[in-house]
Amino acid sequence: DVKVTQSSRYLVKRTGEKVFLECVQDMDHENMFWYRQDPGLGLRLIYFSYDVKMKEKGDIPEGYSVSREKKERFSLILESASTNQTSMYLCASTSPQGWNTIYFGEGSWLTVV
Amino acid sequence: AQTVTQSQPEMSVQEAETVTLSCTYDTSESDYYLFWYKQPPSRQMILVIRQEAYKQQNATENRFSVNFQKAAKSFSLKISDSQLGDAAMYFCAFGGATNKLIFGTGTLLAVQP
Repeated sequence: DVKVTQSSRYLVKRTGEKVFLECVQDMDHENMFWYRQDPGLGLRLIYFSYDVKMKEKGDIPEGYSVSREKKERFSLILESASTNQTSMYLCASTSPQGWNTIYFGEGSWLTVV
Repeated sequence: AQTVTQSQPEMSVQEAETVTLSCTYDTSESDYYLFWYKQPPSRQMILVIRQEAYKQQNATENRFSVNFQKAAKSFSLKISDSQLGDAAMYFCAFGGATNKLIFGTGTLLAVQP
């Protein structure tokens, strides 16, 4: 019954490494989102995509990029991981018609050492 | 740009009592959706209630209700007959025509037995 899957739940990476966080949804949703969640800061939008190969910056895109080559998959890329990117990353997807249902992944805990 | 503000980082309520969580937002759009999400320690995002801006009637879901004041851009959540299982982080969120889904910083609710 899982609808949004984040492939990696817990990752430990070294400073400077390239990191890929994958998110896959099986509901044919157009809209997909990447957030990071930090204590006291809530969920902050990094990037979102409203169609294949379409992406828009959220509120905190610096240090991140994304890829959406297929409708079901939205990848978050940290080109050169830094310790201040240690966080919990959350993926979500929805159909754009009326925001009827938003599905969230289980989160990916990334630690950069 | 849309913003969502939750001014109460933490709240506490006695079991069986009523508590109100505050949320204000800013947007130039006239048609949008507002949400309250509950996030327990598992980090799963659980939809509590959803309000469509064009509907003047306040949404209710069992013990949960909202006070939606469109002109004031206010969207507070009232939890009646609080239960121990209501203890969690609560996020207010905004979804509009730009396809962005924006969250507030959250309110951590404690329920005292």
